[in-house]
Amino acid sequence: EVQLVESGGGLVQAGGSLRLSCAASGFTFSSYWMHWVRQAPGKGLVWVSRINSDGSSTSYADSVKGRFTISRDNAKNTLYLRMNSLRAEDTAVYYCARRGMALDPWGQGTLVTVSS
Amino acid sequence: QSVLTQPPSASGTPGQRVTISCSGSSSNIGSNIVNWYQQLPGTAPKLLIYSNNQRPSGVPDRFSGSKSGTSASLAISGLQSEDEADYYCAAWDDSLNGFGFGGGTKLTVL
Repeated sequence: EVQLVESGGGLVQAGGSLRLSCAASGFTFSSYWMHWVRQAPGKGLVWVSRINSDGSSTSYADSVKGRFTISRDNAKNTLYLRMNSLRAEDTAVYYCARRGMALDPWGQGTLVTVSS
Repeated sequence: QSVLTQPPSASGTPGQRVTISCSGSSSNIGSNIVNWYQQLPGTAPKLLIYSNNQRPSGVPDRFSGSKSGTSASLAISGLQSEDEADYYCAAWDDSLNGFGFGGGTKLTVL
């Protein structure tokens, strides 16, 4: 079964840092581009970042550029999102998702709460 | 503002057909495929339609998608109570170099 499991969320003060992880199983992780998407409480989905299959190419939404870093460890089948200089507006559930014909599947999400 | 534009709400009675629109631009829907996601309360989004009009295995044929120019739509026929959810359209955006999402449409089954 293809599965993505996020972890690493929690409560952090504004200006702080957090690293999210996304453990993949049930598929050849190293063959797929991966993405992070977030959803603020009661709001819609917003794309955050993506990384290609070997980690050599990344892109970011303007709102997180320079503060967030996406990376992956194909040997560990794990995707990461390093988040620095966190702001209150970064409060959201963060989902990782596999890119095939579409973003599918998605993990269950991990909640990041930034207190000001 | 969301990259793609959807109506915030839609509704219908059981058995009815409802459609949800999604409007974009030449940098997203106009040049890339559209996908639709269903998000039930408290759960992660689930792929409903990919490549404009294709259904993943397990998705009922009551759900259908279409695309024309810079707009797309999702149709749900034979509406059921379990269809009550939030629906999002998405398309790669060449200007953003990332995925653009609609703001979501909350479907209520009356």
